Amino acid sequence: KQEVTQIPAALSVPEGENLVLNCSFTDSAIYNLQWFRQDPGKGLTSLLLIQSSQREQTSGRLNASLDKSSGRSTLYIAASQPGDSATYLCAVRLYNNNDMRFGAGTRLTVKP
Amino acid sequence: DVKVTQSSRYLVKRTGEKVFLECVQDMDHENMFWYRQDPGLGLRLIYFSYDVKMKEKGDIPEGYSVSREKKERFSLILESASTNQTSMYLCASSWDTYYGYTFGSGTRLTVV
Repeated sequence: KQEVTQIPAALSVPEGENLVLNCSFTDSAIYNLQWFRQDPGKGLTSLLLIQSSQREQTSGRLNASLDKSSGRSTLYIAASQPGDSATYLCAVRLYNNNDMRFGAGTRLTVKP
Repeated sequence: DVKVTQSSRYLVKRTGEKVFLECVQDMDHENMFWYRQDPGLGLRLIYFSYDVKMKEKGDIPEGYSVSREKKERFSLILESASTNQTSMYLCASSWDTYYGYTFGSGTRLTVV
């Protein structure tokens, strides 16, 4: 069964720092990996989608990488801002049954 | 942009009531999903659907049913609400496996 793990569970950084969030998964038979942001009490907002054949995707200050063979992805956030404070979740889309498996998330706090 | 709309942000229902949670998407997506999200347990898949009138059980279907009479609408039904179904319910949709998920804003259901 696919397991998705996110480390750390929580992270607090001062404004302006560059930071990396980690995601690992146990089964490399995936179609793609997606990073989401979730604000308290809200739904999930898609940040980046990486297909299994791709190595990375970028959007603004965000860069996500994927190493399918080792079962790892990272989300890099450059020059963090207080508005980046949220929970970040990664999810992998499985070959065998078309749904996604989610990590438990990393709760990020960026202090002014 | 694709929009996934969940009809209610907050709901309070009594134990034993029949509860309908509605989800509508506006981009002709084939796939639709219902998840619940609980602290410490993350997102868990309840049901999903590949097409009109098609449904598949997810990881935790007990106590729930679904209906998909039209492509754009996917309803989650709690046949007889119980307090352990108090949770955040999230609907998502997507095209085929190449594409990522788009989530609705969530429904916070409280069963008293």
